Amino acid sequence: DAGVIQSPRHEVTEMGQEVTLRCKPISGHDYLFWYRQTMMRGLELLIYFNNNVPIDDSGMPEDRFSAKMPNASFSTLKIQPSEPRDSAVYFCASSPPGLSDTQYFGPGTRLTVL
Amino acid sequence: AQSVAQPEDQVNVAEGNPLTVKCTYSVSGNPYLFWYVQYPNRGLQFLLKYITGDNLVKGSYGFEAEFNKSQTSFHLKKPSALVSDSALYFCAVSPGGGADGLTFGKGTHLIIQP
Repeated sequence: DAGVIQSPRHEVTEMGQEVTLRCKPISGHDYLFWYRQTMMRGLELLIYFNNNVPIDDSGMPEDRFSAKMPNASFSTLKIQPSEPRDSAVYFCASSPPGLSDTQYFGPGTRLTVL
Repeated sequence: AQSVAQPEDQVNVAEGNPLTVKCTYSVSGNPYLFWYVQYPNRGLQFLLKYITGDNLVKGSYGFEAEFNKSQTSFHLKKPSALVSDSALYFCAVSPGGGADGLTFGKGTHLIIQP
């Protein structure tokens, strides 16, 4: 298996622009998580899905952030409009059925907002 | 609410020596405890977890962790460090399994010196 796939690996954009991050979970996994990692705040859970349904989005920082999972093999995290403080590494992770606490992480997307 | 503390930002160990990376936790009920490792420019990788049973848990790459309920600790250990063990290590806790309870510590940089 190719593992969790994220794209793009790096994104540089200007403040105010829309940013879309993409994730393909491991086939057969039914949990999908979005995390943000910064030096100051460490690793933060933003939102997670189970069977394509959002379960907990309490970690989403504000309304500028939105996430979707239209099917079992694809999810997006969108920031609109982006701000410099959104600069971070964004990770997607997935878990197999019955093992939601054993998570497989993607390589991450390094986002820089100028 | 659950929390995890990793008191050391960085641990330096000479190659071949034993290593310990410390973690303490706070959670209601019986905890599920985890260690993940992050290599440069990569996502986190699952190392091991404790749910119940033997207090010494063995994981990937020769690592093990010792659960101590009285001290609320879950320290990561390895008898003989390798230079390739150099990475960022995260401890995580869940109050009883389930994705919504997984809380990560800030991480500890482990540096193995040749």
